[in-house]
Amino acid sequence: QKEVEQNSGPLSVPEGAIASLNCTYSDRGSQSFFWYRQYSGKSPELIMSIYSNGDKEDGRFTAQLNKASQYVSLLIRDSQPSDSATYLCAVKRNQGGKLIFGQGTELSVKP
Amino acid sequence: GAVVSQHPSWVICKSGTSVKIECRSLDFQATTMFWYRQFPKQSLMLMATSNEGSKATYEQGVEKDKFLINHASLTLSTLTVTSAHPEDSSFYICSAYGAGGGGASYGYTFGSGTRLTVV
Repeated sequence: QKEVEQNSGPLSVPEGAIASLNCTYSDRGSQSFFWYRQYSGKSPELIMSIYSNGDKEDGRFTAQLNKASQYVSLLIRDSQPSDSATYLCAVKRNQGGKLIFGQGTELSVKP
Repeated sequence: GAVVSQHPSWVICKSGTSVKIECRSLDFQATTMFWYRQFPKQSLMLMATSNEGSKATYEQGVEKDKFLINHASLTLSTLTVTSAHPEDSSFYICSAYGAGGGGASYGYTFGSGTRLTVV
């Protein structure tokens, strides 16, 4: 079982719709979770971090964490073509503080 | 905000030669540097972790004699790919974790990446 798993996609949504991205992790003791966006050929950029169960909102983005289910999700409201990218879920290992990434979900927002 | 400068952004080298990639934290002290490799259409794979002044810790399956990491100061870490071969062609990204003035804590700050092509 991979440490961090995501659906690879591609996920295609129309402009203005809600995009839902999901991630599961295997280490029940993990405490810190991150969502990154990566455009082709570029380095990842941080969208949000979440540490507590529940929802965390930042503009059009909402991260959801359920530690009991070992599940993290990212919702993008009012999706725009500029949101088309690969979204990476990352989990911080308790030991050593290493950030482990899922395989990423490719999102395509169609005008 | 925290910035990590990574150079070069791209490099082409001949098979058998060595290539050095540098990552500098510009306005904070990078106590820990993580090095990742990313093949096309794949995710970031952690290669190694280095703490300033200590030997790097390599992930399973990563050859430490091939990928030399130096973290001699709190603002500079380097990755040297020795005797590079075409299969080493990849996107290499560093990520710094550290602190700045006034006790500010910086999370994971990524460099802009280095595209290595070995011919």
